[in-house]
Amino acid sequence: GENVEQHPSTLSVQEGDSAVIKCTYSDSASNYFPWYKQELGKGPQLIIDIRSNVGEKKDQRIAVTLNKTAKHFSLHITETQPEDSAVYFCAADDYKLSFGAGTTVTVRA
Amino acid sequence: ETGVTQTPRHLVMGMTNKKSLKCEQHLGHNAMYWYKQSAKKPLELMFVYNFKEQTENNSVPSRFSPECPNSSHLFLHLHTLQPEDSALYLCASSQEPRTSGNYEQYFGPGTRLTVT
Repeated sequence: GENVEQHPSTLSVQEGDSAVIKCTYSDSASNYFPWYKQELGKGPQLIIDIRSNVGEKKDQRIAVTLNKTAKHFSLHITETQPEDSAVYFCAADDYKLSFGAGTTVTVRA
Repeated sequence: ETGVTQTPRHLVMGMTNKKSLKCEQHLGHNAMYWYKQSAKKPLELMFVYNFKEQTENNSVPSRFSPECPNSSHLFLHLHTLQPEDSALYLCASSQEPRTSGNYEQYFGPGTRLTVT
């Protein structure tokens, strides 16, 4: 089955700086890679996703890159704001969604 | 909110109790899921229902029993649980079953379960 590793487990950044979270996956058949944000007391919410036929996707301050050859993908958050503080999960989908263990992001004001 | 509601939000139960978790989606989706979220661990998929039919059971112990009476409601019946079952139980739904291309999942807020 798919194995997704996510790094770092915690990330503290100064407001306005960029944050980068990296994930690797094991199954080359995976073709869909979503990212979820989970705030305290809430369930995960999809913030951006990318499919295997695309190398990069951007949505305002959030971008995701995918390197299928190396089997890794990354989430980039630019100009971080306090409301970006949350736990972020990556996932990879071959025939089922497999999640990383999460990254706790803290944006310092 | 995502359109997926879960009740109760918090539940404390003894190992001999029987309780049920409820999930309802207001999105008109056809697929529903139960996940277990434990601290510092990846989300674990437990069950998948497509068009009310169970299509996946990821080796979940029989003390967890799902029920899907229609496409909008999903239950998780609990009995004789163990302390290690304490976790956040998340329900999710998607427009189409996972075999199609449009299966972005929408999660509910979860039920925080504590087994004493």
